[in-house]
Amino acid sequence: GAVVSQHPSWVICKSGTSVKIECRSLDFQATTMFWYRQFPKQSLMLMATSNEGSKATYEQGVEKDKFLINHASLTLSTLTVTSAHPEDSSFYICSASRTGSFQPQHFGDGTRLSIL
Amino acid sequence: GQQLNQSPQSMFIQEGEDVSMNCTSSSIFNTWLWYKQDPGEGPVLLIALYKAGELTSNGRLTAQFGITRKDSFLNISASIPSDVGIYFCAGHAPNSGGSNYKLTFGKGTLLTVNP
Repeated sequence: GAVVSQHPSWVICKSGTSVKIECRSLDFQATTMFWYRQFPKQSLMLMATSNEGSKATYEQGVEKDKFLINHASLTLSTLTVTSAHPEDSSFYICSASRTGSFQPQHFGDGTRLSIL
Repeated sequence: GQQLNQSPQSMFIQEGEDVSMNCTSSSIFNTWLWYKQDPGEGPVLLIALYKAGELTSNGRLTAQFGITRKDSFLNISASIPSDVGIYFCAGHAPNSGGSNYKLTFGKGTLLTVNP
């Protein structure tokens, strides 16, 4: 199998708080992990590509100082939403793929973030 | 950037009916993937296709990688209520290589199955 665990599954916090989301590949090593954002009834929007041991690559329009990504090991990447505001409320999903050419991405169960 | 045109946008069917959805692109893809997403959860990989012309089945699901590498379809036979969800096609474009291998996603097909 290829299991990806994401934690927490949902979080509610006050405006101005920083929130950390973890993404773990449980039964395989993932050189590359991906962070997506999904709005209701829409497709997944790639935010950034997380590479183990190096800086993340952010998509155009995504603020790297707002969404901090750390990929310190082959099984863990974290996304920190800094000084979150209501407009950051969304469904955040991570994925991971095995090392190798064109491997499928396997997704976590997502994190529902609600900023009050 | 490359885009995937997924259709239909939504489908309402009766239990037991067969379903077909497809994705097309104006440019070629190296892989085609089909995912299903249930409400409040992450997408789950259903079928992965790696070669042009490849036809792969997974239970009641069948998917094909178009011979031109610009399209793919997913069929679901004898639908059941638990097939309800959003189905996404996705693919790796030739220029998404290196260490990233980003996926391009279709906009999804919302499937509703009436018991």
